[in-house]
Amino acid sequence: GENVEQHPSTLSVQEGDSAVIKCTYSDSASNYFPWYKQELGKRPQLIIDIRSNVGEKKDQRIAVTLNKTAKHFSLHITETQPEDSAVYFCAATSNAGGTSYGKLTFGQGTILTVHP
Amino acid sequence: SAVISQKPSRDICQRGTSLTIQCQVDSQVTMMFWYRQQPGQSLTLIATANQGSEATYESGFVIDKFPISRPNLTFSTLTVSNMSPEDSSIYLCSLRDGGQSTEAFFGQGTRLTVV
Repeated sequence: GENVEQHPSTLSVQEGDSAVIKCTYSDSASNYFPWYKQELGKRPQLIIDIRSNVGEKKDQRIAVTLNKTAKHFSLHITETQPEDSAVYFCAATSNAGGTSYGKLTFGQGTILTVHP
Repeated sequence: SAVISQKPSRDICQRGTSLTIQCQVDSQVTMMFWYRQQPGQSLTLIATANQGSEATYESGFVIDKFPISRPNLTFSTLTVSNMSPEDSSIYLCSLRDGGQSTEAFFGQGTRLTVV
């Protein structure tokens, strides 16, 4: 099955700096890669996603890049703000069919702290 | 996007007992999933809840411990059976209401503490 590795596990930046979180995946058939933000005590919320037919996607201060050949994808947050502080999870969808269809495999998570 | 109602939001249970968590969706969805999130950890898939058939369990999770029901396309339950303190965790239901390249939504989670 799919295996997703995420680094770093913790990331501390100053307000206004950029933050980059990286993930690698193992299943070359995976074709959908979302990023979730989880604030303390709350449910994960999608912040951006990318499909395998796209190399990069941007939404204001957030961007995601995908390298299918190397099987890795990255989250980039520019001009970080204290409210960006949270746990971020990458994920990948296994392309397996049948009853495994659509399940997400998550990375280990990155605790991002943005210092004012 | 679908609205998910998960309950209870939290519970404290005695070891050896069982707890059933409910997940109600305001529209019919094909794919529903149950995840466990241990303190400070990532989300681990327990099983895929299939409508009209038995759930598909991931490695390390068994039906006797985590029986799942999916009687229709808007509702699912997860039972944590014969609980021990190691079962203390957050349990989340999730759904995807489109193809597998679409956003997954999560319930608000059930924080379970077993004493």
